[in-house]
Amino acid sequence: AQSVTQLDSQVPVFEEAPVELRCNYSSSVSVYLFWYVQYPNQGLQLLLKYLSGSTLVKGINGFEAEFNKSQTSFHLRKPSVHISDTAEYFCAVSDQGGYQKVTFGTGTKLQVIP
Amino acid sequence: ETGVTQTPRHLVMGMTNKKSLKCEQHLGHNAMYWYKQSAKKPLELMFVYSLEERVENNSVPSRFSPECPNSSHLFLHLHTLQPEDSALYLCASSQERTGRSEQFFGPGTRLTVL
Repeated sequence: AQSVTQLDSQVPVFEEAPVELRCNYSSSVSVYLFWYVQYPNQGLQLLLKYLSGSTLVKGINGFEAEFNKSQTSFHLRKPSVHISDTAEYFCAVSDQGGYQKVTFGTGTKLQVIP
Repeated sequence: ETGVTQTPRHLVMGMTNKKSLKCEQHLGHNAMYWYKQSAKKPLELMFVYSLEERVENNSVPSRFSPECPNSSHLFLHLHTLQPEDSALYLCASSQERTGRSEQFFGPGTRLTVL
C-alpha cells in the first residue's frame, strides 16, 4: 500500500514569483509519480509524470518536478507563476509492477495574487 | 465531442430519488473509473472497469450501482442516497488498467443530496 502527503492545503504567491508545491509519499516498493491540476469547474488533467530515468521531469505550462528517492519526495516547481496557474494541484503515486491503483493526495490550492 | 464527457454537470436529488450519472470517453481507452471528490479529502476511487468488466469495488455502499455497457460508456446509478453522498463525482479513463497509465478525467457531476 502507498500513501501521499501534501502538507500545504493552500499556497498564496504573487504573480511572476516562483512556487514550490510539496509532495511526499510512502511505499514499500518502487513507484510511479504524477502531478495533476484541476482548474475551477473542470476535471483533473496531467501536468507531468515520473516513470523512470531522469529524476527531473518537465511538464506542461512550464512546471517541473524532481523525484528524490532518498527523501521520498516529488515536489512541483515553477520559476514564475501566472494568474492562469490558479488551480488545485494533486500529487499521486502508484506502485510499479502489474496493475496498481493510483493514490491521490488531498490537493494544494495555488492562489496567484496579481 | 472529445476526451471524457459527463452528464449531467449538476444534479440535486432527494433521498428517495433514483438518478443516473453518465460518462462517455472518446479516446478508445480500455479502462474506466468512478471517483468521489469531497472537500479536503483525497480522491476516493469507487469503481474500476477494464474491458467492460468490473475489476475493483472499493467497499462502496450498494446505493451506488455502476454499469459499463461497452468500453466507451460508464454509468453510476444512484438510489436512496444520504446527504453525506453530496460531492463531485468524476469519471476517468486510461489506455490500460495499469498504474503507469495517465488518467483522463471528465469535468465531473456536482451532486447535492437533500
